[in-house]
Amino acid sequence: GNSVTQMEGPVTLSEEAFLTINCTYTATGYPSLFWYVQYPGEGLQLLLKATKADDKGSNKGFEATYRKETTSFHLEKGSVQVSDSAVYFCALEKTSYDKVIFGPGTSLSVIP
Amino acid sequence: NAGVMQNPRHLVRRRGQEARLRCSPMKGHSHVYWYRQLPEEGLKFMVYLQKENIIDESGMPKERFSAEFPKEGPSILRIQQVVRGDSAAYFCASSPGDRGAEAFFGQGTRLTVV
Repeated sequence: GNSVTQMEGPVTLSEEAFLTINCTYTATGYPSLFWYVQYPGEGLQLLLKATKADDKGSNKGFEATYRKETTSFHLEKGSVQVSDSAVYFCALEKTSYDKVIFGPGTSLSVIP
Repeated sequence: NAGVMQNPRHLVRRRGQEARLRCSPMKGHSHVYWYRQLPEEGLKFMVYLQKENIIDESGMPKERFSAEFPKEGPSILRIQQVVRGDSAAYFCASSPGDRGAEAFFGQGTRLTVV
């Protein structure tokens, strides 16, 4: 079946450090891939997406590239800020009307 | 345009009681999704509804759980005879079309069963 795996957290970084959160997926066909962010006490917000192989999604300094050959969609940011502290979820959707499959989430803490 | 509104934000129920969780979608959105988030876990899909119709309930436990999205009023997730294992955060999301991944999420209802 379809699934999403993420690197385990929590991840703790100093401000301005480089961030990578690994995400790999298992799915037949060509799913769309997503990253969501959940700030404390809040619901999820869509951060970025990619709908086909080699697409790069980007938003707020975050980037992720859809790699079909490695079935990966790693999240990166060149310089994290304290305000980036949150839980990050990788997800896939095969087609519309299909349920979205979420990874378990990776908690990020950025310290000044 | 208000976002997705869920209430209550926190709900405490004793074992055996009923829990009713409400979700008012964004204006103009006719598609609603419910998810459950257990501690230290990601979101698990429960049910997808359009107005007056259940489209996909494959993630709903067969017993004690039900959901509706009437023509008028909010979507309701109902849990009968709650047990400790139902303690979780329940999130609702809404969208104008059938793209669940691009839905807007509410802040969630945190259910605690004591």
